[in-house]
Amino acid sequence: QKEVEQNSGPLSVPEGAIASLNCTYSDRGSQSFFWYRQYSGKSPELIMFIYSNGDKEDGRFTAQLNKASQYVSLLIRDSQPSDSATYLCAVKETGGFKTIFGAGTRLFVKA
Amino acid sequence: GAVVSQHPSWVICKSGTSVKIECRSLDFQATTMFWYRQFPKQSLMLMATSNEGSKATYEQGVEKDKFLINHASLTLSTLTVTSAHPEDSSFYICSARYVDTDTQYFGPGTRLTVL
Repeated sequence: QKEVEQNSGPLSVPEGAIASLNCTYSDRGSQSFFWYRQYSGKSPELIMFIYSNGDKEDGRFTAQLNKASQYVSLLIRDSQPSDSATYLCAVKETGGFKTIFGAGTRLFVKA
Repeated sequence: GAVVSQHPSWVICKSGTSVKIECRSLDFQATTMFWYRQFPKQSLMLMATSNEGSKATYEQGVEKDKFLINHASLTLSTLTVTSAHPEDSSFYICSARYVDTDTQYFGPGTRLTVL
């Protein structure tokens, strides 16, 4: 059973701080990794994807990938109250079309 | 780009009736679409993978005769909940696979309430 593990949280950070969200996965052959944000009552929206080891930056978001450790993370700089949501880590399965989603980490950014 | 729509956004129906939900990729072609269900405060649950021109692949425990999926074109997949019961009340979300980046883009979801 392929798994994606996330700390359910809630993770609480003050406004302006860096929020760090972590994820581990079991499928060693996975090549594609995604972070989605889901506000309460809404569907997930893609934040960013990463395929290569290292860091990938997009605005206030940085995704980090370490395939050897089977670890993906998302950093949110200058956190804002509007960033309060559930963040889903997702890993595309090897050799198929399905993407395995973690259960999500709830983030609260306090004003 | 990579916009996915769903219709309707919400529906209320009586027990025993059937409900059809449409999922459309508006600005790209999607040979593969996915249907998820999400209960309040719970994780996304993949119900089935829909492939254009072929039968859908259902996840274990999902009744294919109850949740009928049709992917008749490269931009449209439909989910029909047949003989709906109150326990089918949930948030149904589709996604479409964008081939260029092998990424799933989600529709806004359909909230189904069965009375």
